[in-house]
Amino acid sequence: NAGVMQNPRHLVRRRGQEARLRCSPMKGHSHVYWYRQLPEEGLKFMVYLQKENIIDESGMPKERFSAEFPKEGPSILRIQQVVRGDSAAYFCASSPPVGSGESTDTQYFGPGTRLTVL
Amino acid sequence: EDKVVQSPLSLVVHEGDTVTLNCSYEVTNFRSLLWYKQEKKAPTFLFMLTSSGIEKKSGRLSSILDKKELFSILNITATQTGDSAIYLCAVRTGGFKTIFGAGTRLFVKA
Repeated sequence: NAGVMQNPRHLVRRRGQEARLRCSPMKGHSHVYWYRQLPEEGLKFMVYLQKENIIDESGMPKERFSAEFPKEGPSILRIQQVVRGDSAAYFCASSPPVGSGESTDTQYFGPGTRLTVL
Repeated sequence: EDKVVQSPLSLVVHEGDTVTLNCSYEVTNFRSLLWYKQEKKAPTFLFMLTSSGIEKKSGRLSSILDKKELFSILNITATQTGDSAIYLCAVRTGGFKTIFGAGTRLFVKA
C-alpha cells in the first residue's frame, strides 16, 4: 500500500509565476490536509478537503492560494504570482475514512514539496 | 487564539539517557492530541491521545495526556542516536483544524 505521494519534491519558481503542488492520498483515504512549514518553524494548517469539497480553509491566505480535490486525480494546491515569502516546504497528509477501524484523526504525511521562489 | 507550545525547543542528551518532552495547549474545542517524529522528511505518526491518564506505549516511547492541566508528555527511555529528530505535538480541534507546536529538536550523542 503506497503511502501519501507528493510531486514534485522540489519546485523552483521565479517571482510572479504559478506553482502547482500535487498530492495523492493513501489508498482508501478520501480526506486531505495541506500544511506549510517555514524554516525553523512548525507545521501551519492551511486547508482540509474531501473529494470535491473544501471542509475547512481557515488557514489559507486570502489571496493567491487555492486548493482542490477533484473526484478523480490528486489534490492540488495552487499558488498564483508567487513571492519570495512563499518559499517553504508544503506537506500533504491524508486520514482514514470513518469505519476503517482507525481513528480519522490520524494523519499520514507525504514527503513534502520544497518550493523555492527566486 | 488556539495554540500549542512545546518545550524545550532543543535538547542534547547522551545515548542511554531518558528524556521527557512537554506539550501544553490552549484550544477552544479539543478533540485529540497527536505526537509525530520528523527526521529529514515527512512527520511519522507516534501516538494519538484522547483520554486523560491513559498511557500509550510503543517500545521505548510512551505518552500521557492531562486534559485538566492541558498538557501532554512524551517520554523516551534508553535513548539511541536513531531517536535524534524533531518531535512534533499537535492538537486536533472539533472543527477539523490541526494545530502544531514548533517542535522539540532532540539530538542524541553516541
